[in-house]
Amino acid sequence: GAGVSQSPSNKVTEKGKDVELRCDPISGHTALYWYRQSLGQGLEFLIYFQGNSAPDKSGLPSDRFSAERTGGSVSTLTIQRTQQEDSAVYLCASSPRGSVHEKLFFGSGTQLSVL
Amino acid sequence: AQSVTQLDSHVSVSEGTPVLLRCNYSSSYSPSLFWYVQHPNKGLQLLLKYTSAATLVKGINGFEAEFKKSETSFHLTKPSAHMSDAAEYFCVVSGGSQGNLIFGKGTKLSVKP
Repeated sequence: GAGVSQSPSNKVTEKGKDVELRCDPISGHTALYWYRQSLGQGLEFLIYFQGNSAPDKSGLPSDRFSAERTGGSVSTLTIQRTQQEDSAVYLCASSPRGSVHEKLFFGSGTQLSVL
Repeated sequence: AQSVTQLDSHVSVSEGTPVLLRCNYSSSYSPSLFWYVQHPNKGLQLLLKYTSAATLVKGINGFEAEFKKSETSFHLTKPSAHMSDAAEYFCVVSGGSQGNLIFGKGTKLSVKP
């Protein structure tokens, strides 16, 4: 597609439920990133994929968070047993090769609200 | 370890006056530095980047930033603010591991008519 696409754009869930957030990167981009943006907290790095591999999972806040990427394209971020502190905007970005010098192309994010 | 500090959480200027958004970084090696902008209800967009070439970097929409190693700073400037510049701006430093970009907490820029 023309840009990074994320779905859903908004998700409201009850505490304790599992949620899946989807990211479609720009076609041909090998690197894919997940960030979390909380009010007043800036962007928090979650995980980075190079192809289907995740060399850096250091940002995942707990074992309730997991992510996968298949076919070097679509990625899914799963949050199990959601908590209210998980409420945030989850942003996905992609870049052509994953070089630290490259521009990131961001999606519009998924606003997650945990009630 | 790499870190980035945006010194102001909120900056307010009048239209037509200069803009200065301050950023200091810490890095154990020569970093790459970026400024991203986020307009309300829109995705983040790259304004400019520094990758060890010229220390004065020009970006989109008339913004520029100067890399000052001695001051560990990468402040963002624009000579004359426009109403459309109202947005949140993030200073970013390349992290220690591949793929890890470290974002500052952001500076919200307001532009008064």
